[in-house]
Amino acid sequence: QSVLTQSPSASGTPGQRVTISCSGSSSNIGNNYVYWYQHLPGAAPRLLIYKNIQRPSGVPDRLSGSKSGTSASLAISGLRSEDEADYYCASWDDNVSGWVFGGGTKVTVL
Amino acid sequence: QVTLRESGPALVEPTQTLTLTCTFSGFSITTSGMCVTWIRQPPGKALEWLAFIDWEDDKHYSPSLKTRLTISKDTSKNQVILKMTNMDPADTGTYYCARSGYSSSPFDPWGQGTLVTVSS
Repeated sequence: QSVLTQSPSASGTPGQRVTISCSGSSSNIGNNYVYWYQHLPGAAPRLLIYKNIQRPSGVPDRLSGSKSGTSASLAISGLRSEDEADYYCASWDDNVSGWVFGGGTKVTVL
Repeated sequence: QVTLRESGPALVEPTQTLTLTCTFSGFSITTSGMCVTWIRQPPGKALEWLAFIDWEDDKHYSPSLKTRLTISKDTSKNQVILKMTNMDPADTGTYYCARSGYSSSPFDPWGQGTLVTVSS
C-alpha cells in the first residue's frame, strides 16, 4: 500500500489530454515538493517534473505539473504513442524522514 | 555526464544477505547536498524507497525495512553499497540506485536497475 494515492490507470487517444492525480497528506505533498517520473518497461525511470511544476531540459512542454494543498497532478497534452508508460509521483515525507511514492498510473494510448 | 550502475547477484537464497553496489561517475558524493538513494520495484508493483546516504555519511532508511538495511559508501571508489539481510521471496524485484538529495532534490538520474530473484 503506497503512501501517495494514484489512480491505477488512465487512457486517451492520440492528441487528447490526460491528467494523472496524486493524493497525499500534510506530512508529504502538503508540506513538500512533488516529483513525477516516467517508467517504461525495461528502462530506468526518468524524471519528468521536479519541484511541483518544473521541467528538466529535454522534457516537452506538453507535460505539466501542478499542486494544490495535499494533491498534485501531471497533465499530458497532445498525447502520443510514446507516452504509453507508468507514471509515479513522489514526495518527501516529514513523518518518515524519507521519500514516499504513489502506486503508479499506467497510461494507455488507445 | 552523470551515470550510475547497479551490480550484485541475480539470485539469492531465502535468509541470505543481499549486497548491492552502485557505482557512479560524473559527480562526487562528498559535495554538499549530494546523496545516493536505493529504490526497488517488485514485479508488477510500485516503486519503493529503501534508503539513502548523504555527503556527510548520514543515513536514512525506510521505516518498514530499517532493521534489515545497511547503506554505506566508499568515496575512493565512487560506490554506494546496500546490504539487506534475511532475504525473502517477497524481496524479489528490480533494485535501482539514483543520485538524489533531500526534500528539494529529485532522483536524477537513475541507474538501469538490477533484477534480484530470491529463491531456493
